[in-house]
Amino acid sequence: DIQMTQSPSSLSASVGDRVTITCRASQGISNYLAWYQQKPGKVPKLLIYAASTLQSGVPSRFSGSGSGTDFTLTISSLQPEDVATYYCQKYNSAPRLTFGGGTKVEIK
Amino acid sequence: EVQLVQSGAEVKKPGESLKISCKGSGYSFTSYWIGWVRQMPGKGLEWMGIIYPGDSDTRYSPSFQGQVTISADKSISTAYLQWSSLKASDTAMYYCARLVRPWYFDYWGQGTLVTVSS
Repeated sequence: DIQMTQSPSSLSASVGDRVTITCRASQGISNYLAWYQQKPGKVPKLLIYAASTLQSGVPSRFSGSGSGTDFTLTISSLQPEDVATYYCQKYNSAPRLTFGGGTKVEIK
Repeated sequence: EVQLVQSGAEVKKPGESLKISCKGSGYSFTSYWIGWVRQMPGKGLEWMGIIYPGDSDTRYSPSFQGQVTISADKSISTAYLQWSSLKASDTAMYYCARLVRPWYFDYWGQGTLVTVSS
């Protein structure tokens, strides 16, 4: 089974900082990667699919990149409302839809 | 507007059975796969299985195969997740979510909290 490893597991940054989260697949998955945001006590929300396509309604400060085994989610200017845990999910082979372990983002 | 509305929180004892539901509306329920995702307290997301309500084709994560049963009733646009004998370790929030091909979740239900305790 392909494993998805996110790093870091948590981070603390200041408002306005650029934040980067990494997701690494144990084998190549082309661009079959999605990112989700889960705010504390809330339902997960789709941010990005196909590694870099922004879901409708998601602020443009979020962006995704990567292909193959290495992917990144970037928040260009961290806002207080971005406090959340972020998960990557691979979907190259249905129905093995493995999630990464999550990255908790906090404000410094 | 696409909506997935899940049944309410449950408190059960070990060994009891349970069936929770997820009702879809605002889209063609039989044209999209529905998935179930577990989130144990303070932990991450784990996909459990998926079902295509159009023909009830069902696929399970190896971690959950044999532990739960996923079903759907397309006549009432509802998917189900059931246990025949609950364990304390089944205590978790369970989400249903709509799958877009190829296989990411675009809409999520509000979650059903299942607590199993003697």
